[in-house]
Amino acid sequence: AQRVTQPEKLLSVFKGAPVELKCNYSYSGSPELFWYVQYSRQRLQLLLRHISRESIKGFTADLNKGETSFHLKKPFAQEEDSAMYYCALTGSNYKLTFGKGTLLTVNP
Amino acid sequence: NAGVTQTPKFQVLKTGQSMTLQCAQDMNHNSMYWYRQDPGMGLRLIYYSASEGTTDKGEVPNGYNVSRLNKREFSLRLESAAPSQTSVYFCASSEGGSNSPLHFGNGTRLTVT
Repeated sequence: AQRVTQPEKLLSVFKGAPVELKCNYSYSGSPELFWYVQYSRQRLQLLLRHISRESIKGFTADLNKGETSFHLKKPFAQEEDSAMYYCALTGSNYKLTFGKGTLLTVNP
Repeated sequence: NAGVTQTPKFQVLKTGQSMTLQCAQDMNHNSMYWYRQDPGMGLRLIYYSASEGTTDKGEVPNGYNVSRLNKREFSLRLESAAPSQTSVYFCASSEGGSNSPLHFGNGTRLTVT
C-alpha cells in the first residue's frame, strides 16, 4: 500500500523566513512524487514534481529515498505563498495518493 | 482550452436523492479521476479511469458509481445520497503514466441534508 504523511496540518511563518513543508512516504517500489498547491478560491494545481528537478516560484523539493521524504523548501517565504500544500505519490498502478495537506500562512 | 470542466458548482441534496456530477476535459487526456476533499482528510480517490472504457475503484468507492462516457467525459453518480457524502468533489485528468501531472477542475461543493 502507498501512503503519504504530512505531519503538520498548519504552518505559520513570517515573510522572509525560510519555510519547509514536510512529506514522508511509504511505498515499496520507486515512487513518483509531486507537490500540489491550492490557493484561496483557486483550483488545485501542480507545483513541482521530483522527476523534473526544477524550482518553481522559489520552491524546491529533493527526494531522499533513504529517509523516504520529499520535503518542500523555500529560503524566503512570501505572503503570496499562503495556500494549502499537498504532497502526492504515484506508484505502478498510476493512482495518485495525496497526503492530508499543510495549510501554510505567511504573515507580514 | 477550458481544461477540466465540472458541473454543477454547488448542489444541495436531501438524504436518499440521487444526482450525477459531470466532468469533461478538452486536453485529449487518457486518464480521469474523481476525488473528494474533506477537512483534515486531504483528497481521497473515489474512482479513476486509466483509459477510455476502463474504470477502477479508488480508496473510497462505496456509495458511488462512475461512467467513462467517452474519452472526454467521466461522470460520478450518487444513487442514494447520505450526509456522509457532504464534501467537495474534484475531477481531474492526466495524459496517463506514473509521472503525468493531474489537471483539476474547480470542484463541486455538495451538501446532503
